[in-house]
Parts: sequence; C-alpha cells; structure tokens
Amino acid sequence: DVQLLESGGDLVQPGGSLRLSCAASGFTFSSYSMNWVRQAPGTGLEWVSAINANGNYIYYADSVKGRFTLSRDNSKNTVYLQMNSLRAEDTAVYFCAKVGGGFNSYGSGSYDAWGPGTLVTVSS
Amino acid sequence: EIVLTQSPATLSLSPGERATLSCRASQSVSNYLAWYQQKPGQAPRLLIFDSSNRATGIPARFSGSGSGTDFTLTISSLEPEDFAVYFCQQRSDWPLTFGGGTKVEIK
Repeated sequence: DVQLLESGGDLVQPGGSLRLSCAASGFTFSSYSMNWVRQAPGTGLEWVSAINANGNYIYYADSVKGRFTLSRDNSKNTVYLQMNSLRAEDTAVYFCAKVGGGFNSYGSGSYDAWGPGTLVTVSS
Repeated sequence: EIVLTQSPATLSLSPGERATLSCRASQSVSNYLAWYQQKPGQAPRLLIFDSSNRATGIPARFSGSGSGTDFTLTISSLEPEDFAVYFCQQRSDWPLTFGGGTKVEIK
C-alpha cells in the first residue's frame, strides 16, 4: 500500500523556521513527482510547491516563493519542505501528496495519495 | 492564475438523491481537472482525474464530465458516506489551483 507520513509540524514564532519531512513507502518513489498542499483551519486547499521525480523541476506558490525550499532525497524516499521567515498566514495543516492519475513530467498532476498532514502553527 | 469557482457552496440532499456539483474555470484548463472528497479531520481523496477518469477504487456512482471551463461531478445516488466536502483542482498551468469547495450535507 502507498503510504505517506509527514513530520516536523510545530508551534513556531513569526520569523522562525521549520523543516517538514514526508516519508514515502509502497511505491517506486524515484519515479513520481511530489507536491505539498496546505489547508488553513476551516478553509480550502492551497497548493504550495511541487518537485518532479528527479528533482530538476521545482515550483512554488507566490505566497511562499523566496521563503520555502522544496527538495527530495530519492535514496531515502523522502521529500523535505524547508520553511523560513514564517508568518501567521502560514498556519495550516500541511499535506504531502503523490502525483498520480493525470500528470506530466514537470511535477504537475492530480494527487492519488495523501499523507494525514502535519500542523504548523505560527504564533507568538 | 486560473481561478476555479465551485457551486453551489452547500448542497442539501437526502440519501438516494442525485448530486450535481459544478466547477467553472476562469480560463480553459482543457480536460486537466480533478475532483476530491474530504471528510472532517481527513486528507482529501482523489475521485476523478482528467475530467472523467475514476481513480482506483472509486465507486461507479461517481462520474465527471466537462472540458474547457465547465465541469461537473455527479453522484448518481447518494450513500451515507458521501456526505462530505468536494474540491476541484486544475493541473493545466502553474500555480496549480483548487476550487473553494462544495459541502454536500444531509437534508
């Protein structure tokens, strides 16, 4: 079975940093693009960042560009989201999602597997 | 940025009834549109990808249609477990975007 498990969420002060990890199993990790999607409390879904299978295409939402960095280690079946200069509006549950179903080779697609999410709270 | 507008915001129906959910894009997304179901406290689940393709394990009562800017998710006969929030998502262009969601609630 495909499994994704996020970790690293925490309470952090504005301006602080966090690194989220997503450990994957049950599929050939190095063959699939991975994305992060977040959901602020009581609201809808917001795409955050995408990385293709070999890591040479990476995209960011404007709201996080310059502050967040996405990377992957295919030897560890893990994707990382480094979040710096955190703001109150970054408070959300962060989901790691595997691209499947419809997709292209640049990191875009629909998400056929999701992790349970990890909560990031930015507050003083 | 492609804006996806979902309607209605809330749909109040009874089990056994047909549900029709709409997603309209601000510009053409070809057929690159997906639908997800989300229940409280859970991650979303992929139902339909590329407008009309059911994801693995999704019951046949869920169907999707449309192309360009207008898309529909139909649930032919609501089961108790179908009452949830539904989101559409486009993968046609960056940034990837989601609709605001439609809540299907029990009448």
